[in-house]
Amino acid sequence: KAGVTQTPRYLIKTRGQQVTLSCSPISGHRSVSWYQQTPGQGLQFLFEYFSETQRNKGNFPGRFSGRQFSNSRSEMNVSTLELGDSALYLCASSPYEGNTEAFFGQGTRLTVV
Amino acid sequence: AQTVTQSQPEMSVQEAETVTLSCTYDTSESDYYLFWYKQPPSRQMILVIRQEAYKQQNATENRFSVNFQKAAKSFSLKISDSQLGDAAMYFCAYRGTFSGGYQKVTFGTGTKLQVIP
Repeated sequence: KAGVTQTPRYLIKTRGQQVTLSCSPISGHRSVSWYQQTPGQGLQFLFEYFSETQRNKGNFPGRFSGRQFSNSRSEMNVSTLELGDSALYLCASSPYEGNTEAFFGQGTRLTVV
Repeated sequence: AQTVTQSQPEMSVQEAETVTLSCTYDTSESDYYLFWYKQPPSRQMILVIRQEAYKQQNATENRFSVNFQKAAKSFSLKISDSQLGDAAMYFCAYRGTFSGGYQKVTFGTGTKLQVIP
């Protein structure tokens, strides 16, 4: 069974641009969550989706948004990029709501210049 | 707000020896989950072990076990017979529950474990 797939793996964007990151969960998993990892702030929760509905949201500005499609694939979007948005963005999937047994992807490394 | 504290930024252990990583958390909830995740240099987070707060028995997964002290709000990870592949960042995480759902996951700052051959 394929694992969690995040695309792209690496991304370089210019300040002010917007970016969309994609996450394909493990087949059969219906819950997807997103995290931001930076050296300064550590691991921080962004969003959680289950059956196309946002179940939880972290303390991030409105520039960060996400969605989940009917096939459970998820995307997150960051608009008006800032230098501080440079981070590793991790996606995790779980077969059920709650992500108490989460499987992570390898992440997307976003660099904002 | 829930907080998770890992007071050991770095630790080292000799191969084949045992090491214990510490984690404390702060919560007013009675029902929650605690996790230890491993993040090797490849960056992919791997769930090591999970503990449900209502279970008194400490979770065990092969060489990994926890010491869960609910009253003390402590959740330490013991790695026995350490192997070179255990070298990684280890994150402690907390997830609370409420009627009808789950709260967001909160992570600690991580402990970098070095395994010395």
